[in-house]
Amino acid sequence: EPEVTQTPSHQVTQMGQEVILRCVPISNHLYFYWYRQILGQKVEFLVSFYNNEISEKSEIFDDQFSVERPDGSNFTLKIRSTKLEDSAMYFCASSPDFSTDTQYFGPGTRLTVL
Amino acid sequence: GESVGLHLPTLSVQEGDNSIINCAYSNSASDYFIWYKQESGKGPQFIIDIRSNMDKRQGQRVTVLLNKTVKHLSLQIAATQPGDSAVYFCAETHGSGNTGKLIFGQGTTLQVKP
Repeated sequence: EPEVTQTPSHQVTQMGQEVILRCVPISNHLYFYWYRQILGQKVEFLVSFYNNEISEKSEIFDDQFSVERPDGSNFTLKIRSTKLEDSAMYFCASSPDFSTDTQYFGPGTRLTVL
Repeated sequence: GESVGLHLPTLSVQEGDNSIINCAYSNSASDYFIWYKQESGKGPQFIIDIRSNMDKRQGQRVTVLLNKTVKHLSLQIAATQPGDSAVYFCAETHGSGNTGKLIFGQGTTLQVKP
């Protein structure tokens, strides 16, 4: 069964450093998303992406964040200058289209900012 | 404002019993609702969904009920098994201008006692 994959599973970085989290969505999906989950809290929407453009972003997704689909398979989330409060699980998701709405999530990348 | 909430943070049931997990939402414009299961260290896993033109939907051992009058959603798990132990999140999204943004509730931890 096709699934969303994410790398790395765990990323440790120093405050102020840039990180890139990588995702490979399900191959025939056209809509991509990033969510984050701070330990013990609910999953929070960051951004949705379609046709090489951001469709919607949350207030969390400030200028320090960016997304990119550099090729036909990868979808990345970049945090330019990490802060302590960026420590969280970051989940990538994909769906065939918005109207279908069923989003399939990857296993997540645990980001630890020291 | 937008919010999706769960009534109980933890639910403990005996193996073989039925489980009912509840969720309240506040946005009357929400028209699509999903239940996700999250096991420790993993991403949310789709369980079942329901659209606002329905009030009940059944899957394998799971049933979702939607009461739009009181903005309430529930997940029923029949014959609960140890493998059902996880955190369960309800999520909702809007159809109009939909960009796929899912709004998650806080989560209910289901503990299944053998």
